[in-house]
Amino acid sequence: GAGVSQSPSNKVTEKGKDVELRCDPISGHTALYWYRQRLGQGLEFLIYFQGNSAPDKSGLPSDRFSAERTGESVSTLTIQRTQQEDSAVYLCASSARQGPLYEQYFGPGTRLTVT
Amino acid sequence: AQSVSQHNHHVILSEAASLELGCNYSYGGTVNLFWYVQYPGQHLQLLLKYFSGDPLVKGIKGFEAEFIKSKFSFNLRKPSVQWSDTAEYFCAVNARDRAAGNKLTFGGGTRVLVKP
Repeated sequence: GAGVSQSPSNKVTEKGKDVELRCDPISGHTALYWYRQRLGQGLEFLIYFQGNSAPDKSGLPSDRFSAERTGESVSTLTIQRTQQEDSAVYLCASSARQGPLYEQYFGPGTRLTVT
Repeated sequence: AQSVSQHNHHVILSEAASLELGCNYSYGGTVNLFWYVQYPGQHLQLLLKYFSGDPLVKGIKGFEAEFIKSKFSFNLRKPSVQWSDTAEYFCAVNARDRAAGNKLTFGGGTRVLVKP
């Protein structure tokens, strides 16, 4: 079946512009996660959705970052007034249910470059 | 908060050599442990996981990992690597704590290059 998809695959934007990154989870998966991977570093947790509510936003690095999820489907991560330090690969993952017993399946990521 | 460290950033070895990648975590409570792999041009995928029971877990493609609670370690091993094992490997933990939520905390990754 179809896996997690993300769009765009690459995004180059000028400093100060807003960007929207999209994630389509595996159909039927109720939990959705956003992570960020800066060059040469591991993945950092950003936010987690159960359904369309976000019980854990602890990883969002600043108020320029926000995310929404429509029902148990697509999610968008928005970064306002982008800065160069926002350059990274943004990864989305989904799992069938909430809880660590359920494997997180990752998408291909969106590579964001802020110039 | 939990943290994960992977000791080697880059490993280069020849086919048929043995591989061991170190992973240590910092967290006072109970954790679930994972190794993920990202092959060139592919998505991150789960290699193996440990929740409880036998501390030696076996994953896909001949990989195994051993949880040593006293050392807060979860090292990944493969007795004989192949060229196709060239990839980046990430260790991750999930704290079994409601307050910690469901997030995975990742190490910085180890790039493994297997020379044919």
